[in-house]
Amino acid sequence: DAKTTQPPSMDCAEGRAANLPCNHSTISGNEYVYWYRQIHSQGPQYIIHGLKNNETNEMASLIITEDRKSSTLILPHATLRDTAVYYCIVKGFQGAQKLVFGQGTRLTINP
Amino acid sequence: DGGITQSPKYLFRKEGQNVTLSCEQNLNHDAMYWYRQDPGQGLRLIYYSQIVNDFQKGDIAEGYSVSREKKESFPLTVTSAQKNPTAFYLCASSIWQGRDQPQHFGDGTRLSIL
Repeated sequence: DAKTTQPPSMDCAEGRAANLPCNHSTISGNEYVYWYRQIHSQGPQYIIHGLKNNETNEMASLIITEDRKSSTLILPHATLRDTAVYYCIVKGFQGAQKLVFGQGTRLTINP
Repeated sequence: DGGITQSPKYLFRKEGQNVTLSCEQNLNHDAMYWYRQDPGQGLRLIYYSQIVNDFQKGDIAEGYSVSREKKESFPLTVTSAQKNPTAFYLCASSIWQGRDQPQHFGDGTRLSIL
């Protein structure tokens, strides 16, 4: 599975859009981009995933560049409860289907 | 509400003791997984199961055992052979068919050594 690179930390003001970048320059054609977040002492929460098209759900939007080498997770109106570590994961569909979590981005929403 | 239930939330193990962590899901998912998370680190796969009565070792299976007798349940036993069991244990499940099905996690069990 391809490796991802994320900034270690970001800050965002409450009510503003939080844009979290992820680089995955070695992604292959059959690998999806997944985003999870983990609040301290809880299990990871699935947010969204995509292959090549932009995706939106009730939690967030996922923008994938045309060359698929990077993506951005957008939380449109951040709240204090969005403070968490956000993980960008690239995963194919062969083998054990394990999720490989890197260090993620620690997002802090400030009042 | 559908979801994944892990119990207990906190567990303490004495030296030489086996302990079993429970994971139950009512999402009708085919596949279930056990991960281990150490402080400040990512998740590592212990075991996974695609269907009932079948399971496969992950990256760090030594010292652990599992069973999958029911679709809803995937208990993990931490045996005395696991010399460093203190960690946060996470269970996940997903639909197996389909290439992109996300895994959904429970809230974890924190295991400590007495």
